[in-house]
Amino acid sequence: EILLTQSPGTLSLSPGERATLSCRASESVSTFVAWYQQKPGQAPRLVIYDASRRAAGIPGRFSGFRSGTDFTLTISGLEPEDFAVYFCQYHGSVPPWTFGQGTKVEVK
Amino acid sequence: QLQLQESGPGLVKPSQTLSLTCAVSGDSVSSDNVVWNWIRQSPSRGLEWLGRTYYRSNKWYSDYPLSVKSRITITGDTATNHFSLHLNSVTPEDTAVYYCSRGGPGTPVSLFEFWGQGILVTVSS
Repeated sequence: EILLTQSPGTLSLSPGERATLSCRASESVSTFVAWYQQKPGQAPRLVIYDASRRAAGIPGRFSGFRSGTDFTLTISGLEPEDFAVYFCQYHGSVPPWTFGQGTKVEVK
Repeated sequence: QLQLQESGPGLVKPSQTLSLTCAVSGDSVSSDNVVWNWIRQSPSRGLEWLGRTYYRSNKWYSDYPLSVKSRITITGDTATNHFSLHLNSVTPEDTAVYYCSRGGPGTPVSLFEFWGQGILVTVSS
């Protein structure tokens, strides 16, 4: 089973700032990492998949990057609606699929 | 437009079976290019994929992670266009918000692109 470790636990930023979230996989997962955004009381929403592909309807300020087993989600210029919890997910072709523990992006 | 709606009891006693149903509208559970998942979320365990079911060549298939494999069953029902989760021998550790979700077809089936609103299930006597 793939273990995903996210950092930091909480990111305190102001609107307009750049957010950089990290997710490290316990072993090679190729590009099979996705990112989800979750707001209080809502289900998660797919943001990025295959490490860097934006899901339908996701604005261009969201981008993903992979370097080996390290994955990064960047939000360039935080909008008020971007403050939320973000999870990474391993989504290789063979289950089980696993999630990181989440990074909360909060208003500073 | 796809809609998923979870239903079931919000309270289950320890050692009993937790049973939930996901009603699907806007798609058919027997579509051959999608999969149907259950995922749960709790403060202690985070997000946890519980398993999936899918219909291929007139047959239902299912996959589960080892963590719950011995006590879980996920089934699909083409007559009602629902799919269901049965988790037996529950303990308070199974208290969570349970979500149903579809994987595919526009994105890999290993992703969770569409979700229900979730249902809180508490395990307590």
